[in-house]
Amino acid sequence: QLQESGPGLVKPSETLSLTCTVSGGSIMSSSTYYWGWIRQPPGKGLEWIGNIHHNGITSYNSPLKSRVTILVDTSKNQFSLTMTSVTAADTAVYYCVRMVVVAIYKDYFDDWGQGTLVTVSS
Amino acid sequence: QSVLTQPPSVSAAPGQRVTISCSGGSSNIGNSYVSWYQQLPGTAPKLLIYDSNKRPSGIPDRFSGSKSGTSATLGITGLQTGDEADYYCGTWDRSLSAFVFGTGTKVTVL
Repeated sequence: QLQESGPGLVKPSETLSLTCTVSGGSIMSSSTYYWGWIRQPPGKGLEWIGNIHHNGITSYNSPLKSRVTILVDTSKNQFSLTMTSVTAADTAVYYCVRMVVVAIYKDYFDDWGQGTLVTVSS
Repeated sequence: QSVLTQPPSVSAAPGQRVTISCSGGSSNIGNSYVSWYQQLPGTAPKLLIYDSNKRPSGIPDRFSGSKSGTSATLGITGLQTGDEADYYCGTWDRSLSAFVFGTGTKVTVL
């Protein structure tokens, strides 16, 4: 239902761009759905990057906020991630996810893409 | 940035029960609902438990979740070789204004 796409190799200091295509339902199908990105460096744990609602409202993880932009394209049923000024520390598997927000502080990720490895290297 | 602490590993024989703890604080587990994710080797994480103790459809009742104060626990009964995976807890942290994950626990079936 969620599929990531984008370059697997990005040079240091350049911009990482990924797209997630949502299939099997509209990205606007529920007001409780938020669409986001989570990453996992090789051999390490999960890190939430940020979310977007189909109305355009975004939230980002503070350590990444200055470098990250998440956009939604409802006409294509897609959302995207852009991360600027990447370094080797940004090398990770990037997952696009659907977040269900039932109420404040009552949320979880119920659907995950298969993930795409992005390597930052010259 | 992991503010949720899990044991690095737990193990047990097939058929046995294991529990995985997730320790946090008042800004996260203490005032939010917890979810748990299973990550089989080489695959994306999958939702196991949401709202601290609910199972999505298709998740067997061998998996259970609970929360008390600033800690949460995932229980797995009737352990199977197919349960060998990494398990992560997660919740919203109101101080960080971010969704945070636990450090992860590797389950090994002996």
